[in-house]
Amino acid sequence: KAGVTQTPRYLIKTRGQQVTLSCSPISGHRSVSWYQQTPGQGLQFLFEYFSETQRNKGNFPGRFSGRQFSNSRSEMNVSTLELGDSALYLCASSLRGHKNGELFFGEGSRLTVL
Amino acid sequence: KQEVTQIPAALSVPEGENLVLNCSFTDSAIYNLQWFRQDPGKGLTSLLLIQSSQREQTSGRLNASLDKSSGRSTLYIAASQPGDSATYLCAGFYTGTASKLTFGTGTRLQVTL
Repeated sequence: KAGVTQTPRYLIKTRGQQVTLSCSPISGHRSVSWYQQTPGQGLQFLFEYFSETQRNKGNFPGRFSGRQFSNSRSEMNVSTLELGDSALYLCASSLRGHKNGELFFGEGSRLTVL
Repeated sequence: KQEVTQIPAALSVPEGENLVLNCSFTDSAIYNLQWFRQDPGKGLTSLLLIQSSQREQTSGRLNASLDKSSGRSTLYIAASQPGDSATYLCAGFYTGTASKLTFGTGTRLQVTL
């Protein structure tokens, strides 16, 4: 059974640009959640999607957005990149969502903003 | 404010030793708690999930407990092995107007030969 796939694994952008990251969940999982991991702030929750609807959202500015498609694949977008957006972005899929289900994480997308 | 704390930040033990990792949370309204491990440069691997109605979960050499009244969870690792070396994170899920998973800062474990 294939795990959670995130693309791209590594990317470098400059300030002001935008970036789109992709996450393909485990087959059959309808929940996808996104996290930002930095050395200073640790792991922070961005948002969760379930069956194409955003269910929960963390405390991030509106520059961070996401969506989920009918096949449960999800994308997150960061516009007007800032240096502080450099981080490992992780997505996790779950059969029943945060509240009741075990989370399965991808390897992450490491974003460097110059 | 919901906070999850893990102490110590780093731990080194010789192979074969039994050890306990600690996780403290400030809000007893926690719905469930999960333990993960993270290898350098990798994503997280789920180890154990404890629902609020449960007090502990076991998987192989791992045992995790949850005490909501004291705001503590512990992860017990029996007969540690070098392959157990990783960062261990706990995460609590809180319901309410801001339902979200809150992660601790992690304990970096090194098991030496």
